[in-house]
Amino acid sequence: DAGVIQSPRHEVTEMGQEVTLRCKPISGHNSLFWYRQTMMRGLELLIYFNNNVPIDDSGMPEDRFSAKMPNASFSTLKIQPSEPRDSAVYFCASSGQYNEQFFGPGTRLTVL
Amino acid sequence: EDQVTQSPEALRLQEGESSSLNCSYTVSGLRGLFWYRQDPGKGPEFLFTLYSAGEEKEKERLKATLTKKESFLHITAPKPEDSATYLCAVQVSGNQFYFGTGTSLTVIP
Repeated sequence: DAGVIQSPRHEVTEMGQEVTLRCKPISGHNSLFWYRQTMMRGLELLIYFNNNVPIDDSGMPEDRFSAKMPNASFSTLKIQPSEPRDSAVYFCASSGQYNEQFFGPGTRLTVL
Repeated sequence: EDQVTQSPEALRLQEGESSSLNCSYTVSGLRGLFWYRQDPGKGPEFLFTLYSAGEEKEKERLKATLTKKESFLHITAPKPEDSATYLCAVQVSGNQFYFGTGTSLTVIP
């Protein structure tokens, strides 16, 4: 198995632009998580899905952030419009029946 | 409020010098405590899951233990390749996870 796949690995954009981050979870895993990691706040859970359904989005910082999971093998995290304070590394993780999460390599987002 | 605190923030050890990392937590309804290792530029890598006080798990030079208020990650005779940031996370209701800010470990040859 290739593990959790994220794209792009790096994204540089200008303030106000729309950013879309993509994730392919491990096949057979039924839970998917989006995290944001910064030096100041560490790893923060933004939203998680069970069986493609969003369960808890209380970690999403603002309405500018949205996430979808149209099927079991694909999820997106969108920021519109982006702001410099959104600069961070965004991780996607998936888990199966034992709850241990397997993380992707992350997307490093820089908003200028 | 659910909270996870890791200490120390950074630790430098000589190769072979054993030590322990601490993860203390205050949560309502712990479902599991997880340890991860994160190398620079990579995503966290799963190490252990602990579910109940008194439980222990081992893997090579690492041993994780759990009490009702904290967990320890013991590193025995560390090697330079053990250098990384070690994260702990607690699972509360459903799939809600809270991560600590990590301990950055450097093992000097």
